[in-house]
Amino acid sequence: GIQVEQSPPDLILQEGANSTLRCNFSDSVNNLQWFHQNPWGQLINLFYIPSGTKQNGRLSATTVATERYSLLYISSSQTTDSGVYFCAVEKKGGSEKLVFGKGTKLTVNP
Amino acid sequence: NAGVTQTPKFQVLKTGQSMTLQCAQDMNHEYMSWYRQDPGMGLRLIHYSVGAGITDQGEVPNGYNVSRSTTEDFPLRLLSAAPSQTSVYFCATRTPSGLYEQYFGPGTRLTVT
Repeated sequence: GIQVEQSPPDLILQEGANSTLRCNFSDSVNNLQWFHQNPWGQLINLFYIPSGTKQNGRLSATTVATERYSLLYISSSQTTDSGVYFCAVEKKGGSEKLVFGKGTKLTVNP
Repeated sequence: NAGVTQTPKFQVLKTGQSMTLQCAQDMNHEYMSWYRQDPGMGLRLIHYSVGAGITDQGEVPNGYNVSRSTTEDFPLRLLSAAPSQTSVYFCATRTPSGLYEQYFGPGTRLTVT
């Protein structure tokens, strides 16, 4: 099946710093999403981005489908950004199964 | 508008017991799915459904059954619980193709002793 690798596994920042999270995937995809899981366990959809670039406030994401990677940028980080960020993909031409990476755990200290 | 609801929030079972995790949604989404989340493993797809009467297996279906008799409900059944099924279970729905916005329930934390 398709493989999804996220890096780094852990990231610790001071409030106000910027960060880049990476997601590599092993096959062509027709669906790529970024999710945030807050420290209370709730999962929130951040971006649907199988290709191109999107921005939402301090967060933006870029997917280069031809090179099979996606980047999530967090600018001016806040303590509320803490949690785990997951990348999930669905293989092109495959069945409707979303495969998740293992996540990047982000801790933003005040 | 409650979104995706799951019951119970917590459950402790003994090995061999059976139970059903409930999932309901009020967004009229055709696609629903169940995931389990284990430490360091991300989320893994158990079963999914693209509409009432249609279900299919995900990555880790063994030990779990599902059915989809209505658009609103998608229960997950554990027939004979095992300690390996200790996990946090999430139900999710998804908007139609082209939008792919996924909505997750709050999760059920299951412990099998």
